[in-house]
Amino acid sequence: ETGVTQTPRHLVMGMTNKKSLKCEQHLGHNAMYWYKQSAKKPLELMFVYNFKEQTENNSVPSRFSPECPNSSHLFLHLHTLQPEDSALYLCASSQRSGGPQMEQYFGPGTRLTVT
Amino acid sequence: AQTVTQSQPEMSVQEAETVTLSCTYDTSESDYYLFWYKQPPSRQMILVIRQEAYKQQNATENRFSVNFQKAAKSFSLKISDSQLGDAAMYFCAYRSVIQGAQKLVFGQGTRLTINP
Repeated sequence: ETGVTQTPRHLVMGMTNKKSLKCEQHLGHNAMYWYKQSAKKPLELMFVYNFKEQTENNSVPSRFSPECPNSSHLFLHLHTLQPEDSALYLCASSQRSGGPQMEQYFGPGTRLTVT
Repeated sequence: AQTVTQSQPEMSVQEAETVTLSCTYDTSESDYYLFWYKQPPSRQMILVIRQEAYKQQNATENRFSVNFQKAAKSFSLKISDSQLGDAAMYFCAYRSVIQGAQKLVFGQGTRLTINP
């Protein structure tokens, strides 16, 4: 379970705060993902990065700003969030190439509460 | 766009018995991958089993097996000899085989409780 790590595990922030979520993968993968998991809703893909380049933005509001400085690290910068943004944010990584072996490995998530 | 539906928000089973979790999906593609993921309380989501749509044979992984009905677009998960450690949220997911496709489409999840 240490292949993909996320910090912090829990975060409480006010609507005017700026904070960042961090994800690190130790699996040698070259693709990384951010997902949002809200209660009673399916996991929603937010962003995809391949070889540090953003390749998918799933219509995410600009108050969420991702950053991928290298293939092992992924950040999600948060500012001016709304209470409805409270959720579990999951990071995942995989190999970029296709095929069933392109399994996504998930981190434990950051539980975000916006007050 | 593809959709995945899990119609059972919660299920419970007695330890050592068998339980089946349901999943249906909608797609116009003829080839794709299907997955079941397990998310234990406060722990990481892990892959339980995968199925490639072009394979007719149902996938099995130890006590976990699937019933893949392609025409019906159904992909259920059977857990045999349920154990306390099987308690978790279970998510069904779909992925296209289109070159470069990476997006997983998830269902809403089923919370499985194991009664001792």
